Amino acid sequence: QKEVEQNSGPLSVPEGAIASLNCTYSDRGSQSFFWYRQYSGKSPELIMSIYSNGDKEDGRFTAQLNKASQYVSLLIRDSQPSDSATYLCAVTDGSRLTFGEGTQLTVNP
Amino acid sequence: DGGITQSPKYLFRKEGQNVTLSCEQNLNHDAMYWYRQDPGQGLRLIYYSQIVNDFQKGDIAEGYSVSREKKESFPLTVTSAQKNPTAFYLCASSIWGRAHQPQHFGDGTRLSIL
Repeated sequence: QKEVEQNSGPLSVPEGAIASLNCTYSDRGSQSFFWYRQYSGKSPELIMSIYSNGDKEDGRFTAQLNKASQYVSLLIRDSQPSDSATYLCAVTDGSRLTFGEGTQLTVNP
Repeated sequence: DGGITQSPKYLFRKEGQNVTLSCEQNLNHDAMYWYRQDPGQGLRLIYYSQIVNDFQKGDIAEGYSVSREKKESFPLTVTSAQKNPTAFYLCASSIWGRAHQPQHFGDGTRLSIL
């Protein structure tokens, strides 16, 4: 069974801080990695994707991938209360996505 | 506006009843997926389809059935054999056959037992 594990939450950070969300995966054949944000009662929305080792930045979000360590992370800089949500890590080998259970983030004003 | 439409938003099932959840997409995506999400948990794959008239079981297919008669449509039937159907059901779609294609989700259907 391919597994995706995320750091246990909930995670609480003050407004303006950096939130760090981590994810490890078991399948070395994984090719693509995604972060989805899910607000309470809503469906997941894609916020970042990463395919190559290193960092990828998009606004306040930075995704980091280390295939040797089978590790992917999401950093949120200058966290805002509107970032409070559950963040889902998803990994694919090209055939189907496998999701982690999510990390709940709360940003306190 | 391109997107994925799920209906109904809320659905109630009586004992012994089959219910069907609708999923339609106008993104011209080849692949469509059904997931189940229980409170505080991640998404679990029920069924997926890469092309019309073909579909594969996911991790929790028992008690569910699907059809894919049209590219745009992928309805999910929750049968009476599914003894614990209360959950949030999410439909997704993606381009198939090209690397690095993310899945995009509809707004979901909440199913409860009466």
